[in-house]
Amino acid sequence: ETGVTQTPRHLVMGMTNKKSLKCEQHLGHNAMYWYKQSAKKPLELMFVYNFKEQTENNSVPSRFSPECPNSSHLFLHLHTLQPEDSALYLCASSQKLGAPNSYNEQFFGPGTRLTVL
Amino acid sequence: DQQVKQNSPSLSVQEGRISILNCDYTNSMFDYFLWYKKYPAEGPTFLISISSIKDKNEDGRFTVFLNKSAKHLSLHIVPSQPGDSAVYFCAASVGVGGGADGLTFGKGTHLIIQP
Repeated sequence: ETGVTQTPRHLVMGMTNKKSLKCEQHLGHNAMYWYKQSAKKPLELMFVYNFKEQTENNSVPSRFSPECPNSSHLFLHLHTLQPEDSALYLCASSQKLGAPNSYNEQFFGPGTRLTVL
Repeated sequence: DQQVKQNSPSLSVQEGRISILNCDYTNSMFDYFLWYKKYPAEGPTFLISISSIKDKNEDGRFTVFLNKSAKHLSLHIVPSQPGDSAVYFCAASVGVGGGADGLTFGKGTHLIIQP
């Protein structure tokens, strides 16, 4: 148990559906991240939120829409996805430290296994 | 183009022996490196890290070595135990712990400890 929870753990959706992935961290961290892991590819950073503000968007298609209502919760809203979007979606959190551009290590949730039919 | 490379998809080591996992990187801006361990159906968990100002960091059975000139790092596990069987990810960042830009990961190496 890392202190980062993700729901649902598994999700199957059609290309016309709209669904949301939820992440919650109980660590008091102030930065949260979405990563994607496709088969035979490394984890790829999608979005970064610092103090609820999005600071990084790694050229992610607009069919993925993040939302960070507070520093403990992060959502990934999905709509009109493609079969190639099937992957493991991982949420992580970390704490910004006092020194410039310094954070403690990232803590990951267990991920949501998404299948797009 | 992959900036962090783990060229061995899998590695099999006998229990009690040393496991050496390797990682290469191409981005000279990376100044912080981490190793994560992942079991099936779980997220990656942090194992050990090293800043670019050091060439070695040790934590119990785990030691990470950094060779900046070769842009290479390695993770040594000694002695290897059955519970070490997992996928190991190398990650790098600009800034400590991932910085504001997050982590760049390798594809992972599946370590199998044979009894």
